[in-house]
Amino acid sequence: DTGVSQNPRHKITKRGQNVTFRCDPISEHNRLYWYRQTLGQGPEFLTYFQNEAQLEKSRLLSDRFSAERPKGSFSTLEIQRTEQGDSAMYLCASSFKGARFDYGYTFGSGTRLTVV
Amino acid sequence: GQSLEQPSEVTAVEGAIVQINCTYQTSGFYGLSWYQQHDGGAPTFLSYNALDGLEETGRFSSFLSRSDSYGYLLLQELQMKDSASYFCAVRDRMDSSYKLIFGSGTRLLVRP
Repeated sequence: DTGVSQNPRHKITKRGQNVTFRCDPISEHNRLYWYRQTLGQGPEFLTYFQNEAQLEKSRLLSDRFSAERPKGSFSTLEIQRTEQGDSAMYLCASSFKGARFDYGYTFGSGTRLTVV
Repeated sequence: GQSLEQPSEVTAVEGAIVQINCTYQTSGFYGLSWYQQHDGGAPTFLSYNALDGLEETGRFSSFLSRSDSYGYLLLQELQMKDSASYFCAVRDRMDSSYKLIFGSGTRLLVRP
């Protein structure tokens, strides 16, 4: 297993378009998280899944954002009607419930979104 | 809600020791974690403290004082490759969530 994989690495889109990102977590990990990070800031929580169930979504998150994790494997994050303020690095992480380092997330390299 | 405070920047000399502090405010508490992130890279897990005291992993150590809502990351024998951003993160136990809340990060610059 090569870790958490995210695609695409970079995405440039015009304002108003929809975009979708994919995350493939470490196969043994049953928890998957999406974060957003802007320059000079820490990762900001968006949502997380345990297996296929979406257990929490940030209250700050617009309804334009939706995430899925069908069959508890890969996950997708969709942003509809993108705005310039959506420009950020979107990070996916996974972890394994029950491990001592459950709080030790493994992050992917992220998808950098630029909305023009 | 939760909030974390850490210095925005720290500069140190190669071979020296540096301490990065983190104070937190949560309605509950379930451990303090530290992550390292190089420019353009992914955050990587460094350490986790659930109980008071010092955890040592090679050149890196992390300390926690729950009574003071305070922790720090200690980096010894600094190397140029340690130049990166360091984030503290907490999980708030009260909301039964497994998400981590991250601080804004401390940018460490190691000079020759």
